[in-house]
Amino acid sequence: EDQVTQSPEALRLQEGESSSLNCSYTVSGLRGLFWYRQDPGKGPEFLFTLYSAGEEKEKERLKATLTKKESFLHITAPKPEDSATYLCAVQAKGGSYIPTFGRGTSLIVHP
Amino acid sequence: EAGVAQSPRYKIIEKRQSVAFWCNPISGHATLYWYQQILGQGPKLLIQFQNNGVVDDSQLPKDRFSAERLKGVDSTLKIQPAKLEDSAVYLCASSQGQTSVKLFFGSGTQLSVL
Repeated sequence: EDQVTQSPEALRLQEGESSSLNCSYTVSGLRGLFWYRQDPGKGPEFLFTLYSAGEEKEKERLKATLTKKESFLHITAPKPEDSATYLCAVQAKGGSYIPTFGRGTSLIVHP
Repeated sequence: EAGVAQSPRYKIIEKRQSVAFWCNPISGHATLYWYQQILGQGPKLLIQFQNNGVVDDSQLPKDRFSAERLKGVDSTLKIQPAKLEDSAVYLCASSQGQTSVKLFFGSGTQLSVL
């Protein structure tokens, strides 16, 4: 069974204080790993897809990296508008390609 | 481009009552998903449709939940009868195809069962 574990559950940062969110996964064969952002009262919004170890993707202050067992979402010099829950999901090779989501990391950035 | 539309936005019912949620996916998207998100948890898949056919409903509690996607466009998810533990946000998502890596989510329906 595919498993996705995210840590920490919650993270409070000061504006400008860089940090990383972790997503560790167990899957028989990884087809893709996804990061989504979810604002309160809204559905998740797609950020990145990573396919193979060593791959990196960047978007503004966010950079996602992937190893064979985990992914990191690095947040550089965060701003209050980066406050949200960040969800990680994995898609296994074969089967129905349905993404399995982790519980998410709730990020709050204080001004 | 219009996003995924869901209604109602909020619903409050008493246990043992029935409730229905509606979803209109992005135009042209063949694959539609219903997810359940309990407070503090990640989305959990209930059912996946490819056009008007069911691909995966292995995690759908079929004794009380049902879903349909007539004509391969709009979809409805029904709960009858509702239990207290069904309180959650019900998210609809769509994608271009079954193997698509990018899902587009609606804002969800927040259900409270009292």
